[in-house]
Amino acid sequence: DAGVIQSPRHEVTEMGQEVTLRCKPISGHDYLFWYRQTMMRGLELLIYFNNNVPIDDSGMPEDRFSAKMPNASFSTLKIQPSEPRDSAVYFCASSSDSQSSYEQYFGPGTRLTVT
Amino acid sequence: GQSLEQPSEVTAVEGAIVQINCTYQTSGFYGLSWYQQHDGGAPTFLSYNALDGLEETGRFSSFLSRSDSYGYLLLQELQMKDSASYFCALFSGGYNKLIFGAGTRLAVHP
Repeated sequence: DAGVIQSPRHEVTEMGQEVTLRCKPISGHDYLFWYRQTMMRGLELLIYFNNNVPIDDSGMPEDRFSAKMPNASFSTLKIQPSEPRDSAVYFCASSSDSQSSYEQYFGPGTRLTVT
Repeated sequence: GQSLEQPSEVTAVEGAIVQINCTYQTSGFYGLSWYQQHDGGAPTFLSYNALDGLEETGRFSSFLSRSDSYGYLLLQELQMKDSASYFCALFSGGYNKLIFGAGTRLAVHP
Protein backbone atom coordinates (compact mmCIF):
# COMPACT_ATOMS: atom_id res chain seq x y z
CA ASP A 1 0.00 0.00 0.00
CA ALA A 2 1.20 3.52 -0.77
CA GLY A 3 0.29 4.81 2.66
CA VAL A 4 -1.62 8.01 3.31
CA ILE A 5 -1.19 10.46 0.45
CA GLN A 6 -1.43 14.21 0.85
CA SER A 7 -1.24 17.03 -1.65
CA PRO A 8 0.19 19.49 -2.12
CA ARG A 9 3.34 18.93 -0.05
CA HIS A 10 4.00 22.66 0.13
CA GLU A 11 1.64 25.57 -0.34
CA VAL A 12 2.48 29.25 -0.24
CA THR A 13 -0.41 31.65 -0.53
CA GLU A 14 -1.35 35.20 0.26
CA MET A 15 -3.63 36.24 3.06
CA GLY A 16 -7.26 36.15 2.01
CA GLN A 17 -6.85 33.38 -0.54
CA GLU A 18 -8.64 30.05 -0.39
CA VAL A 19 -6.52 27.00 0.36
CA THR A 20 -7.55 23.39 -0.22
CA LEU A 21 -5.56 20.50 1.20
CA ARG A 22 -6.18 16.96 -0.01
CA CYS A 23 -5.84 13.54 1.52
CA LYS A 24 -6.20 9.95 0.38
CA PRO A 25 -6.33 7.52 3.31
CA ILE A 26 -5.07 3.96 3.30
CA SER A 27 -7.53 1.74 1.49
CA GLY A 28 -9.86 -0.05 3.88
CA HIS A 29 -9.30 2.33 6.78
CA ASP A 30 -12.54 3.53 8.35
CA TYR A 31 -11.18 6.54 10.23
CA LEU A 32 -9.61 9.71 8.88
CA PHE A 33 -8.08 12.45 11.01
CA TRP A 34 -6.89 15.98 10.20
CA TYR A 35 -4.18 17.49 12.44
CA ARG A 36 -2.34 20.78 12.53
CA GLN A 37 1.19 21.07 13.93
CA THR A 38 2.91 24.27 15.01
CA MET A 39 5.77 24.99 17.37
CA MET A 40 3.50 26.93 19.69
CA ARG A 41 0.50 24.61 19.84
CA GLY A 42 2.02 21.22 19.03
CA LEU A 43 -0.03 18.54 17.28
CA GLU A 44 -3.74 19.39 17.39
CA LEU A 45 -6.64 17.29 16.18
CA LEU A 46 -8.90 19.41 13.99
CA ILE A 47 -11.58 16.95 12.89
CA TYR A 48 -12.09 13.27 12.27
CA PHE A 49 -14.38 11.12 10.14
CA ASN A 50 -15.73 7.62 10.54
CA ASN A 51 -16.96 5.97 7.35
CA ASN A 52 -16.97 9.38 5.63
CA VAL A 53 -19.12 10.99 8.35
CA PRO A 54 -17.66 13.82 10.46
CA ILE A 55 -17.71 12.69 14.09
CA ASP A 56 -15.87 15.37 16.03
CA ASP A 57 -15.02 18.82 14.67
CA SER A 58 -14.45 20.45 18.04
CA GLY A 59 -10.85 21.17 17.12
CA MET A 60 -11.67 23.22 14.03
CA PRO A 61 -10.42 26.68 14.99
CA GLU A 62 -13.17 28.77 13.39
CA ASP A 63 -15.66 28.99 10.57
CA ARG A 64 -12.92 29.71 8.08
CA PHE A 65 -12.02 26.03 8.27
CA SER A 66 -14.13 23.30 6.72
CA ALA A 67 -13.55 19.63 5.91
CA LYS A 68 -15.33 17.13 3.72
CA MET A 69 -15.05 13.46 2.93
CA PRO A 70 -17.18 12.76 -0.14
CA ASN A 71 -16.06 9.14 -0.36
CA ALA A 72 -13.89 6.59 1.41
CA SER A 73 -10.78 7.47 -0.57
CA PHE A 74 -10.73 11.26 -0.48
CA SER A 75 -10.95 14.12 1.98
CA THR A 76 -10.33 17.85 1.80
CA LEU A 77 -9.55 20.53 4.35
CA LYS A 78 -10.38 24.02 3.16
CA ILE A 79 -9.39 27.37 4.65
CA GLN A 80 -11.25 30.40 3.35
CA PRO A 81 -10.05 33.08 3.75
CA SER A 82 -6.55 32.14 4.86
CA GLU A 83 -4.61 34.17 7.44
CA PRO A 84 -0.90 34.24 8.38
CA ARG A 85 -1.67 32.50 11.69
CA ASP A 86 -2.87 29.47 9.68
CA SER A 87 0.72 28.79 8.67
CA ALA A 88 1.50 25.28 9.92
CA VAL A 89 2.05 21.71 8.82
CA TYR A 90 -1.26 19.94 8.25
CA PHE A 91 -1.29 16.17 8.58
CA CYS A 92 -3.88 13.68 7.53
CA ALA A 93 -3.93 10.29 9.25
CA SER A 94 -6.03 7.17 8.99
CA SER A 95 -6.71 4.11 11.13
CA SER A 96 -8.35 0.83 10.36
CA ASP A 97 -11.13 0.70 12.97
CA SER A 98 -12.26 2.01 16.34
CA GLN A 99 -10.45 -0.69 18.30
CA SER A 100 -7.08 0.29 16.88
CA SER A 101 -7.37 4.05 16.44
CA TYR A 102 -4.52 4.35 18.92
CA GLU A 103 -2.35 3.41 15.92
CA GLN A 104 -2.73 6.01 13.25
CA TYR A 105 -0.88 6.20 9.95
CA PHE A 106 0.15 9.71 9.07
CA GLY A 107 0.64 11.20 5.64
CA PRO A 108 3.75 13.27 4.83
CA GLY A 109 1.94 16.51 5.62
CA THR A 110 1.30 19.76 3.79
CA ARG A 111 3.45 22.70 4.84
CA LEU A 112 1.26 25.79 4.49
CA THR A 113 2.71 29.28 4.50
CA VAL A 114 0.32 32.23 4.40
CA THR A 115 2.00 35.58 3.72
CA GLY B 1 -10.08 17.95 30.24
CA GLN B 2 -7.02 15.95 29.38
CA SER B 3 -3.40 17.02 29.49
CA LEU B 4 0.01 15.42 29.19
CA GLU B 5 3.45 16.57 30.27
CA GLN B 6 6.79 15.51 28.83
CA PRO B 7 10.29 16.94 29.16
CA SER B 8 11.02 19.25 26.25
CA GLU B 9 14.52 17.92 25.56
CA VAL B 10 16.66 14.91 26.42
CA THR B 11 20.27 14.31 25.44
CA ALA B 12 22.04 10.95 25.41
CA VAL B 13 25.10 9.19 24.05
CA GLU B 14 25.12 6.60 21.29
CA GLY B 15 24.79 3.09 22.73
CA ALA B 16 23.25 4.30 25.97
CA ILE B 17 19.73 3.86 27.38
CA VAL B 18 17.32 6.77 27.72
CA GLN B 19 13.90 7.05 29.35
CA ILE B 20 11.34 9.64 28.25
CA ASN B 21 8.66 10.25 30.86
CA CYS B 22 5.05 11.22 30.37
CA THR B 23 2.62 12.23 33.09
CA TYR B 24 -1.01 12.85 32.35
CA GLN B 25 -4.30 14.07 33.74
CA THR B 26 -7.53 12.59 32.48
CA SER B 27 -10.93 11.50 33.69
CA GLY B 28 -10.73 8.35 31.64
CA PHE B 29 -8.85 6.80 28.78
CA TYR B 30 -8.22 3.49 27.08
CA GLY B 31 -4.44 3.57 26.79
CA LEU B 32 -1.24 5.46 26.06
CA SER B 33 0.44 5.57 22.65
CA TRP B 34 3.93 6.66 21.66
CA TYR B 35 4.95 8.21 18.34
CA GLN B 36 8.28 9.17 16.81
CA GLN B 37 8.76 12.12 14.49
CA HIS B 38 11.97 13.00 12.69
CA ASP B 39 12.56 16.59 11.65
CA GLY B 40 10.54 17.33 8.53
CA GLY B 41 8.78 13.98 8.74
CA ALA B 42 5.45 12.62 9.86
CA PRO B 43 4.67 11.02 13.22
CA THR B 44 5.02 7.24 13.16
CA PHE B 45 3.51 4.85 15.67
CA LEU B 46 5.91 3.13 18.08
CA SER B 47 3.99 1.49 20.89
CA TYR B 48 0.73 1.27 22.81
CA ASN B 49 -0.07 0.35 26.41
CA ALA B 50 -3.64 -0.61 27.18
CA LEU B 51 -2.71 -2.26 30.46
CA ASP B 52 -0.29 -1.44 33.24
CA GLY B 53 3.18 -2.80 32.74
CA LEU B 54 5.88 -3.01 30.15
CA GLU B 55 5.45 -3.55 26.40
CA GLU B 56 8.61 -4.42 24.48
CA THR B 57 9.18 -3.90 20.78
CA GLY B 58 12.78 -4.49 19.82
CA ARG B 59 15.01 -1.75 21.23
CA PHE B 60 11.98 0.23 22.38
CA SER B 61 9.83 -0.47 25.42
CA SER B 62 6.89 1.43 26.85
CA PHE B 63 5.49 1.38 30.35
CA LEU B 64 2.21 2.48 31.89
CA SER B 65 1.10 2.90 35.49
CA ARG B 66 -2.52 4.04 35.75
CA SER B 67 -2.34 4.42 39.53
CA ASP B 68 0.52 6.92 39.11
CA SER B 69 -0.87 8.57 35.93
CA TYR B 70 2.53 7.95 34.45
CA GLY B 71 4.17 6.29 31.52
CA TYR B 72 7.54 6.19 29.85
CA LEU B 73 9.29 5.19 26.68
CA LEU B 74 12.60 3.39 27.07
CA LEU B 75 15.07 3.38 24.21
CA GLN B 76 18.02 1.00 24.44
CA GLU B 77 21.24 0.77 22.45
CA LEU B 78 20.73 4.27 21.18
CA GLN B 79 21.67 5.01 17.59
CA MET B 80 22.17 8.33 15.86
CA LYS B 81 19.00 7.70 13.85
CA ASP B 82 16.99 7.75 17.09
CA SER B 83 17.47 11.52 17.23
CA ALA B 84 13.89 12.69 16.82
CA SER B 85 10.90 14.00 18.73
CA TYR B 86 8.85 11.54 20.76
CA PHE B 87 5.22 12.10 21.64
CA CYS B 88 3.02 10.37 24.17
CA ALA B 89 -0.70 10.44 23.43
CA LEU B 90 -3.80 9.51 25.38
CA PHE B 91 -6.22 7.29 23.48
CA SER B 92 -9.80 8.12 24.34
CA GLY B 93 -11.37 5.00 22.99
CA GLY B 94 -14.90 6.19 23.44
CA TYR B 95 -14.13 9.10 21.17
CA ASN B 96 -11.62 7.22 19.03
CA LYS B 97 -9.11 10.02 19.14
CA LEU B 98 -5.60 10.74 20.37
CA ILE B 99 -4.60 13.70 22.52
CA PHE B 100 -0.89 14.38 22.03
CA GLY B 101 1.66 15.72 24.47
CA ALA B 102 4.00 18.52 23.41
CA GLY B 103 6.78 16.09 22.56
CA THR B 104 10.31 15.42 23.78
CA ARG B 105 13.21 16.19 21.50
CA LEU B 106 15.91 13.52 21.83
CA ALA B 107 19.42 14.32 20.69
CA VAL B 108 21.82 11.37 20.42
CA HIS B 109 25.52 12.26 20.36
CA PRO B 110 28.50 10.11 19.37
